[in-house]
Amino acid sequence: AQRVTQPEKLLSVFKGAPVELKCNYSYSGSPELFWYVQYSRQRLQLLLRHISRESIKGFTADLNKGETSFHLKKPFAQEEDSAMYYCALSSGSARQLTFGSGTQLTVLP
Amino acid sequence: DGGITQSPKYLFRKEGQNVTLSCEQNLNHDAMYWYRQDPGQGLRLIYYSQIVNDFQKGDIAEGYSVSREKKESFPLTVTSAQKNPTAFYLCASSQGQANQPQHFGDGTRLSIL
Repeated sequence: AQRVTQPEKLLSVFKGAPVELKCNYSYSGSPELFWYVQYSRQRLQLLLRHISRESIKGFTADLNKGETSFHLKKPFAQEEDSAMYYCALSSGSARQLTFGSGTQLTVLP
Repeated sequence: DGGITQSPKYLFRKEGQNVTLSCEQNLNHDAMYWYRQDPGQGLRLIYYSQIVNDFQKGDIAEGYSVSREKKESFPLTVTSAQKNPTAFYLCASSQGQANQPQHFGDGTRLSIL
């Protein structure tokens, strides 16, 4: 069965510092991975997906199949990045998602 | 504002009572999903539906039931058999194809009186 692990429940960094949110997965097939974000009082929304290989709000994530990881990175954190971040793996005929337990990121001024 | 609409925002249930959470989408998506969110556990899949009149159990389906009579609607019933129903429930929809993201509603918070 597939599994997604986010080892850090809480992560605090200072504004302007680099940030990395870790995500490891376990899946026998070819993975489809996503990062979702939930800002305070907003709905859960897509941040980025590995297939796009794009940078959204300064965040990037590279799929490393050898290490089975999909870590989220940003070189210079901003206060508005404070939110709950979920890593998710899509699988099955309906592309249902398996989520990690989430990391609450706080960017300190 | 289009997308996914969940209602009500807050719901209270008495012991032994069934309650139904509404989820409607106007995105013309084929697939719809229900997740349960508990603190420290992320989101867990309850039920999902790929097309009308078809749905499948997710990882934690016991004590829940769903229907998919219309493409736009995927209501979730929390039955009295669900022993720990207090949680935040999220509905989502997608095109159901590879690498397509899911779109989420605002959620319903269910509490037991």
